[in-house]
Amino acid sequence: AQSVTQLDSHVSVSEGTPVLLRCNYSSSYSPSLFWYVQHPNKGLQLLLKYTSAATLVKGINGFEAEFKKSETSFHLTKPSAHMSDAAEYFCVVRKRNRDDKIIFGKGTRLHILP
Amino acid sequence: GAGVSQSPSNKVTEKGKDVELRCDPISGHTALYWYRQSLGQGLEFLIYFQGNSAPDKSGLPSDRFSAERTGGSVSTLTIQRTQQEDSAVYLCASSSITVSDTQYFGPGTRLTVL
Repeated sequence: AQSVTQLDSHVSVSEGTPVLLRCNYSSSYSPSLFWYVQHPNKGLQLLLKYTSAATLVKGINGFEAEFKKSETSFHLTKPSAHMSDAAEYFCVVRKRNRDDKIIFGKGTRLHILP
Repeated sequence: GAGVSQSPSNKVTEKGKDVELRCDPISGHTALYWYRQSLGQGLEFLIYFQGNSAPDKSGLPSDRFSAERTGGSVSTLTIQRTQQEDSAVYLCASSSITVSDTQYFGPGTRLTVL
């Protein structure tokens, strides 16, 4: 069975400081992992995805995530937060090479302090 | 090309009435998902269709909820005898069957049960 855990429901950082949103997964198979972002009153947008190539994945808006199999983690980071990064972020897991539903984490709301 | 579309964008109904929500996935996408997002909550998986396989209904909260996907394309989510706790944004997503698939989300239907 697959599962995904986002360890923080809310994260607050000051503008210009680093962002870390934590995600741990559980999967019986080699997974594909995704981060989605949802800005207020906007639709869900893919931020980045890992599908077995490089373990460090770069996404849009300066975000990146590192797949660490030994830690079963896929944390999302950004060196310097911007006010426009305030949004809800979802970590997602699915089996690779298999037909199966995609599992969303419960989300982390990122607050940017001026 | 066209993205995932959903209709209606907003639906207000009275408690006890039935509602139908429609999703038009991206052409050629074999997978279709329904999610529910309540105010301030993450995404709750409802149901998953993959090609001609039997749908995964494990997320449907009660037997008042059902969904169909006709001809492997358009899907309809039906909620019978609506309750106030059914009020939420209902999101539809579709994806292709390729290894590196990505979910593409529709704009959602905001359901309000009075």
